[in-house]
Amino acid sequence: SAVISQKPSRDICQRGTSLTIQCQVDSQVTMMFWYRQQPGQSLTLIATANQGSEATYESGFVIDKFPISRPNLTFSTLTVSNMSPEDSSIYLCSVAWTGGNIQYFGAGTRLSVL
Amino acid sequence: AQSVTQPDIHITVSEGASLELRCNYSYGATPYLFWYVQSPGQGLQLLLKYFSGDTLVQGIKGFEAEFKRSQSSFNLRKPSVHWSDAAEYFCAVVDGNKLVFGAGTILRVKS
Repeated sequence: SAVISQKPSRDICQRGTSLTIQCQVDSQVTMMFWYRQQPGQSLTLIATANQGSEATYESGFVIDKFPISRPNLTFSTLTVSNMSPEDSSIYLCSVAWTGGNIQYFGAGTRLSVL
Repeated sequence: AQSVTQPDIHITVSEGASLELRCNYSYGATPYLFWYVQSPGQGLQLLLKYFSGDTLVQGIKGFEAEFKRSQSSFNLRKPSVHWSDAAEYFCAVVDGNKLVFGAGTILRVKS
């Protein structure tokens, strides 16, 4: 496994603003993922962060709303843009090595939008 | 697309009692299955996984799970629950390069 650090751990934001969440891993990983967990719900994959290229988004998620960067093999960011109260969720980063079948998760970022 | 069903939203057990959390999956071939636990205010921790081989897999914290192909199930068990096991438990299956999660089961432990 690996040590996965997410920042911030929580935040309260105003409607219409943007928040960038960071995910840092203590070793190089092949794959990084971003999930959303809405209140009382399960986890839904937003996108796969690809190193050196554009992220691969799941159905229902778009780059303009959730831009993602992955400049190297240990770091990724997710931005939640033009936030509304419906974006209040836990956002989780996960990582995997070659094969990608076993994913390890960060502690998550708890976002509340007022 | 693959899917995972966790029929029980909430389960309450007494401390020291045995536990079984149910998980059913839909997948044509042999699935890669996982159980994760999410304690309040925490991220997800991997409890155990099944890829192939022995259908009874052991995990951390005294948990085990049994893969039953005939029932499309991967139920999580623990012989004696501790108060610290109170958390939400998620079953997941690999679908391509992503995980598909069940809705989760919230476990309450009463003393």
